[in-house]
This record gives sequence, structure tokens and C-alpha cells, in this order.
Amino acid sequence: AQKITQTQPGMFVQEKEAVTLDCTYDTSDQSYGLFWYKQPSSGEMIFLIYQGSYDEQNATEGRYSLNFQKARKSANLVISASQLGDSAMYFCAMREASNYGQNFVFGPGTRLSVLP
Amino acid sequence: SQTIHQWPATLVQPVGSPLSLECTVEGTSNPNLYWYRQAAGRGLQLLFYSVGIGQISSEVPQNLSASRPQDRQFILSSKKLLLSDSGFYLCAWTRDTNQPQHFGDGTRLSIL
Repeated sequence: AQKITQTQPGMFVQEKEAVTLDCTYDTSDQSYGLFWYKQPSSGEMIFLIYQGSYDEQNATEGRYSLNFQKARKSANLVISASQLGDSAMYFCAMREASNYGQNFVFGPGTRLSVLP
Repeated sequence: SQTIHQWPATLVQPVGSPLSLECTVEGTSNPNLYWYRQAAGRGLQLLFYSVGIGQISSEVPQNLSASRPQDRQFILSSKKLLLSDSGFYLCAWTRDTNQPQHFGDGTRLSIL
């Protein structure tokens, strides 16, 4: 079963507007972590933001915020004031316990295109 | 500060040839190390995971193997490459399970 679901293969947003990228997850663990990464066309994976399962407040990092709704098992990324440089693939990932300790599972990604 | 080095950046190999991709981490000790493969336009697939020297866990059965001969060195290998081994390979490390993974720049592998 898919552990991380990103239902938006592609998204468009106008420059300077806000955009929300969806992420839902599936786990039976009580302790887990959620991450968002950005991958520009160069291929590098850039860490954006982290939310722990026990964190009561939504994480924020500059223009990035994570809308964490634990009961719905969703961890949507909100980018405010989009910039042209935000055009990239965005991956939601989850850290959970596995037979080997900790495992990281990635979603299929959302391609964001920022329009001038 | 910690850095991760991955090489080569690009590689073109014929079918049936061997493979060795190397990843090293500097500035930390006893990191958790990972190898991922990313097909074009797709997400990351975890291949191998290591919590220490000589300790390798495989997530997906495949034509590849991994080794960790030193604390901060992680090697991805194959004895005979298949066409399906083409892809973008990423090495990553994390020190603490509450911290994000830090990725290398990746290797684009093309099999002819």
C-alpha cells in the first residue's frame, strides 16, 4: 500500500501567490516524522521543512509552512509569495520505524511551475 | 560542518558491465547511510540502508549490492548491469532520526 500519497502530479501558480501542495500518509506508528524536499532540475535534493508527530504547532521555515492535520494524516506544504525559483519537483517523505531501525519513505512528487 | 560526496556525477556503462558508485561523508561519525534510485520523473526508491560498518539492509531485491567498509563510506555495486538499472542514484546520510536526510549530488547512470 502507498505510504505517502501526493495527488497532484503537477501544479501551476502565479508568481507572488501562495500555493498548497498536498501530502497524505499512512502509518500505524505513534512516533514518526514528516519532511518536505525540493528537487530542482539539477537533481539535488534540498530539505525544506520537518514536522514531528508529537509537535503540536505547525512547522514554519521562512516562506514554507506545513499544515499538519494528524487526525486526517495529512501534511500539506504551503509556499507563500511564490518565486520563479520555486519551480521544481517537491517530495513529501515520512520517517517511521522499520525492521532495520528507521526508514524513510518518499511520495511520487508534485511538479510545481511558477508562472511570471 | 558535514558534507557528503558522491561520484561520479554521470556514468555510461554497457549492459553486463560491473558498477561501483562511491559515497563518503565528512564531519560526522557513525551516520546512517542510504542509497536511493530515482527513475525519470518519479519519486525515490530506497535501495539500501546502513546503520554501521558492515551492516546493510536491503529494501528491494535487485541486481545491486551495497557495502560499508568504513564508517563514512558507502558503496553501491553490481557485477552485471541490466538496462533496468538506468536511473539517478542518490546517496544520503542522517545523524539523528529526527533530523532530515542530507543528499549527495547524485549519479546519472545510463546503461547502453
